[in-house]
Amino acid sequence: QQPVQSPQAVILREGEDAVINCSSSKALYSVHWYRQKHGEAPVFLMILLKGGEQKGHEKISASFNEKKQQSSLYLTASQLSYSGTYFCGSSEIYNQGGKLIFGQGTELSVKP
Amino acid sequence: EAGVTQSPTHLIKTRGQQATLRCSPISGHTSVYWYQQALGLGLQFLLWYDEGEERNRGNFPPRFSGRQFPNYSSELNVNALELEDSALYLCASSLAGNQPQHFGDGTRLSIL
Repeated sequence: QQPVQSPQAVILREGEDAVINCSSSKALYSVHWYRQKHGEAPVFLMILLKGGEQKGHEKISASFNEKKQQSSLYLTASQLSYSGTYFCGSSEIYNQGGKLIFGQGTELSVKP
Repeated sequence: EAGVTQSPTHLIKTRGQQATLRCSPISGHTSVYWYQQALGLGLQFLLWYDEGEERNRGNFPPRFSGRQFPNYSSELNVNALELEDSALYLCASSLAGNQPQHFGDGTRLSIL
């Protein structure tokens, strides 16, 4: 079952904040976040392995609520370089984590 | 350090033909993953290889197959090509299952 991302698209002005959510109907072992710019390969952002874990990477951070089976990606003080499509990928416990099922993506546009 | 490399960059085939796509992982990575990304769509999990073994496969017909060689490089074979197989095929590698996946630039497969 594909995780559901929301919103599907968001437009920001430079410096504004955004939150992208990723929800699953199944129990999750881990959540991965990737960003893909148009015409390029997806780039790894972060991985969350434990329930309730929160990680940060520059001005991008994420949380993982195992009970609610959801993860959120937080982009603070957005920069033009943050534009792209953000994908969450989830792995279920029995799959040993190697099989990632990706959400449909959230297209983020940051305007000057 | 060299990233994940895929060849060829573009491949044009006709219906019914067979296609072979190749992937070399990052040095030291033993897990290789294959994804299909149709135009404007998300990443669909195809196959996961680790230490030469197929660990998991996605919901694709058996005409999608692959293998991993002793040097951890991998091949994706698609038989009896259909028009809907036209897509970007992405390969990724990681140190092991449930580790960050690093993507190659992909092979654009076009079926005429």
